Amino acid sequence: QVRLVESGGGVVQPGRSLRLSCAASGFGFSQYGMHWFRQAPGKGLEWVAIIWFDGSKSKYADSVKGRFTISRDNSEDTLYLQLSSLRVDDTAIYYCARDRKGYGYYADYWGQGTLVTVSS
Amino acid sequence: DIQMTQSPSSLSASVGDRVTITCRASQSVNNYVHWCRQKPGRGPELLIYAASTLQSGVPSRFSASGSGTDFTLTISSLQPEDFATYYCQQSLFFPWTFGQGTKVDIK
Repeated sequence: QVRLVESGGGVVQPGRSLRLSCAASGFGFSQYGMHWFRQAPGKGLEWVAIIWFDGSKSKYADSVKGRFTISRDNSEDTLYLQLSSLRVDDTAIYYCARDRKGYGYYADYWGQGTLVTVSS
Repeated sequence: DIQMTQSPSSLSASVGDRVTITCRASQSVNNYVHWCRQKPGRGPELLIYAASTLQSGVPSRFSASGSGTDFTLTISSLQPEDFATYYCQQSLFFPWTFGQGTKVDIK
């Protein structure tokens, strides 16, 4: 069955960096687009970024553009999110999710999330 | 960006009740609307994709309809595991955007 397990969250100071990972299993990882979403404490869901199945293209929410970088290693079935220049309002649970197609149609499976807390 | 407006923002219901949640897009998104459920402390689960197609493994008490700008999710007979928060989401345009959520709790 499809399994997505996020890791790498923690407490970090404003302005610092962090890298999140998402280990995928149970499906042909290299055939699917992948997403990151986030959810601030007590708030709704926000889409963060998508990467195409082959890593050739990516798109970002304006709130993270230029600060976050999505990438993937298809040989390791792993998705990444590099978070830089972190701000207090980046505090959230970060979820990875699989796209139904290679390039962005809808997210059909989600992980359980990893918490990032940005605080001095 | 496309605004997705859900209503109501919360509702109280009993097991066995019929529940309807609506979602309106700020411009046409064709049928690129999807619904998910999020239980407390858990990641979201896809219920419905492409406005009206039931995701594999999702119980048939869930149904949805709509196209263009107006969409509806219906739960025909609420079960204990359905007390959760529901979100609509559009994927026709980047950035993908969500409704603010509808929290369904026990009356």
